[in-house]
Amino acid sequence: GPKVLQIPSHQIIDMGQMVTLNCDPVSNHLYFYWYKQILGQQMEFLVNFYNGKVMEKSKLFKDQFSVERPDGSYFTLKIQPTALEDSAVYFCASSLHEQYFGPGTRLTVL
Amino acid sequence: AQKVTQTQTSISVMEKTTVTMDCVYETQDSSYFLFWYKQTASGEIVFLIRQDSYKKENATVGHYSLNFQKPKSSIGLIITATQIEDSAVYFCAMREGRGSALGRLHFGAGTQLIVIP
Repeated sequence: GPKVLQIPSHQIIDMGQMVTLNCDPVSNHLYFYWYKQILGQQMEFLVNFYNGKVMEKSKLFKDQFSVERPDGSYFTLKIQPTALEDSAVYFCASSLHEQYFGPGTRLTVL
Repeated sequence: AQKVTQTQTSISVMEKTTVTMDCVYETQDSSYFLFWYKQTASGEIVFLIRQDSYKKENATVGHYSLNFQKPKSSIGLIITATQIEDSAVYFCAMREGRGSALGRLHFGAGTQLIVIP
């Protein structure tokens, strides 16, 4: 099926630092998403994005989080500053109808 | 409120048999979409199959099929002729209609399938 790419696959940072997670969505997809999965737990929606705007966000999408997709390049999730509870795997997805997921970025905040 | 519930934590089956995984959902919307994904041991999440709420026919893709029982708010996944590589965690998910394909997925907790050779 369609491939969504994510860079990096792993990221380890110190608490308080900034991190940017990158997503290369499927080229003709219109809708973009970030989800968070803590090890062994349920997948939780963070935010979706369309036409250059955040359309919907959950309570997990804290003020320290931001997303953008400048000039049709990577769809990014930035966390600034990071907190210990941000440690998780972050999945990007894109869609026209069904959502296709990237392989995830495992973020470890020390 | 929207909710997706998978009560089976883990299922073990013999290879080449058929397995059914259960999922029930809650929504106030009259139009919604139901999906099944699998998450492999490497963490990869793979889209498997979709059911649109307004369609009466059960969706089928390859050896995956759905048992859609709308009055019971139930969408079971059936895998026939299971293979070792079907071992994974299977997630049920729902998206409400809202007039466009943009919408969050509400996920269930997942069912771990173990296929025994």
